[in-house]
Amino acid sequence: GQQVMQIPQYQHVQEGEDFTTYCNSSTTLSNIQWYKQRPGGHPVFLIQLVKSGEVKKQKRLTFQFGEAKKNSSLHITATQTTDVGTYFCASHTGTASKLTFGTGTRLQVTL
Amino acid sequence: NAGVMQNPRHLVRRRGQEARLRCSPMKGHSHVYWYRQLPEEGLKFMVYLQKENIIDESGMPKERFSAEFPKEGPSILRIQQVVRGDSAAYFCASSPSRNSPPHGYTFGSGTRLTVV
Repeated sequence: GQQVMQIPQYQHVQEGEDFTTYCNSSTTLSNIQWYKQRPGGHPVFLIQLVKSGEVKKQKRLTFQFGEAKKNSSLHITATQTTDVGTYFCASHTGTASKLTFGTGTRLQVTL
Repeated sequence: NAGVMQNPRHLVRRRGQEARLRCSPMKGHSHVYWYRQLPEEGLKFMVYLQKENIIDESGMPKERFSAEFPKEGPSILRIQQVVRGDSAAYFCASSPSRNSPPHGYTFGSGTRLTVV
């Protein structure tokens, strides 16, 4: 079955530093979604990318979908403590439209 | 404008008891998805339901687990004879249609099940 791997598994940065998480799939993805989960919280939808090479921005967050639609990245510029959490990529698989989640990257930000 | 409602938020069960988790989708949503998240892990798909129908249960363990989404009322995820390994956060998401809308899935706050 489809596997979606994320790297790194964990990253600890100082406030103000940049952060990037990468999502890689062994198969071509129809789309990619990104979610953020705060500690003790639930996943919150951030964005969806559909087109090859697509780039979208949300304030300090930049999302990219690879040309081959097999990878994606989330870049946060000048991290803040409010960015703490685990970031998951996810993609629809099969005909039942279920979301398959990546393994997640846990971000820790310290002052 | 209530979102996806899950209850209880926390549930403690002794080994061998039954756990019943409830999920009320957003208003107007007729599709429900259940996911399980083990401690320090990602979310694993369990089951996808439409009103009165199970569409995809490929992620559900074959034994002890069942799910339903009746015509009236919330979706229920039932775990019989719970074991310690069932301890996890169970999240429900809903969508208005088969294919995810541009806004993605809306998740509930989850039920944290602890088996003692």
